[in-house]
Amino acid sequence: GENVEQHPSTLSVQEGDSAVIKCTYSDSASNYFPWYKQELGKRPQLIIDIRSNVGEKKDQRIAVTLNKTAKHFSLHITETQPEDSAVYFCAQGNTGFQKLVFGTGTRLLVSP
Amino acid sequence: GAVVSQHPSWVICKSGTSVKIECRSLDFQATTMFWYRQFPKQSLMLMATSNEGSKATYEQGVEKDKFLINHASLTLSTLTVTSAHPEDSSFYICSASGLGGFDTDTQYFGPGTRLTVL
Repeated sequence: GENVEQHPSTLSVQEGDSAVIKCTYSDSASNYFPWYKQELGKRPQLIIDIRSNVGEKKDQRIAVTLNKTAKHFSLHITETQPEDSAVYFCAQGNTGFQKLVFGTGTRLLVSP
Repeated sequence: GAVVSQHPSWVICKSGTSVKIECRSLDFQATTMFWYRQFPKQSLMLMATSNEGSKATYEQGVEKDKFLINHASLTLSTLTVTSAHPEDSSFYICSASGLGGFDTDTQYFGPGTRLTVL
């Protein structure tokens, strides 16, 4: 069945440190892995996504890595800033079906 | 681009009444819309998937007669919570994916509707 485990549930870092959030999935047919950032009371916003044909994707301070063999993918945020504080959700999907299964979320707190 | 609106942003209603929530894609054609509910400090739980012009597909455990979904056009989907009860109080969020030059796999979320049933 479809299942996404996300760790850690909370993460506190100092400004300037790096943050890493990891997700593990079970559906081997999954080939689309987006990451969303949700601030309190607001909509989830896509920050980066990766497809199964690549192992890593980077966008400025944000990067995502994918290990299809181990069925896990990770979000890396470097040089964290207080405005990075939010809840981050990973998700897995299968292109064509479009349905996403979300992880349980990670609350990131970046202290000045 | 890829803007999704939702209305109302919040609603308070009495137990037993019905509430309609609208989800619109403003600058693209949404071939597929999704409805989620989110309880405080929890993840997004998919309720149903709707494709324009066809019946919605509900997730296991979601009562289709209670949560009526209509996707009448490529820019509008509605969720009606019928005979609402306090346990239906939640944050309801829609998302849309589709055509218009954007990645068809990407889901763009609306701002959400906070429903409180007294």
